[in-house]
Amino acid sequence: ETGVTQSPTHLIKTRGQQVTLRCSSQSGHNTVSWYQQALGQGPQFIFQYYREEENGRGNFPPRFSGLQFPNYSSELNVNALELDDSALYLCASSSTTSYTTFGSGTRLTVV
Amino acid sequence: EDQVTQSPEALRLQEGESSSLNCSYTVSGLRGLFWYRQDPGKGPEFLFTLYSAGEEKEKERLKATLTKKESFLHITAPKPEDSATYLCAVQSGNSGNTPLVFGKGTRLSVIA
Repeated sequence: ETGVTQSPTHLIKTRGQQVTLRCSSQSGHNTVSWYQQALGQGPQFIFQYYREEENGRGNFPPRFSGLQFPNYSSELNVNALELDDSALYLCASSSTTSYTTFGSGTRLTVV
Repeated sequence: EDQVTQSPEALRLQEGESSSLNCSYTVSGLRGLFWYRQDPGKGPEFLFTLYSAGEEKEKERLKATLTKKESFLHITAPKPEDSATYLCAVQSGNSGNTPLVFGKGTRLSVIA
């Protein structure tokens, strides 16, 4: 059974730039969620995708957007990067009957 | 709004010194309470799910318990490899796809 995989593992971007993070969900899971984890904090829910549609969103602005593909993989896009966007971005996959499984994350640094 | 508060923020133990971590929660219709372990720079690793008050689960030196207002993660005779951040999360609704609400975690350090 393949777990959740994310790429890249680390990324450095300049304020104002755009970034795309990628995720492959665990086999058998049809829902993908993205979380942001700032240093010393718990993960915060960004949004969730099911059947290629966004079906839940946390308190994040529209410059955070995403996609889910037919194979259940997903992308997180962030436009107009701000210094406060520096964080560990976690992709998680789940199904209606399983617990949520997390990837190892992408560490984004905005300078 | 669902909320999770974990205490203490940090805990330092000697090897073999047992202790407990606390997770207090408020949720509109608890589906499950989750404990995850997180190593530095890594994603959370699933430990336990508890669904109803009175439920207990064990794994090696860890034991999780649940009441209607809080959960405890008991660590018996910890070893240095148990050092990590332990995260508590709640899930409401009736589906495993409902987003998790996390606490800030407890950073555990076990000293040999």
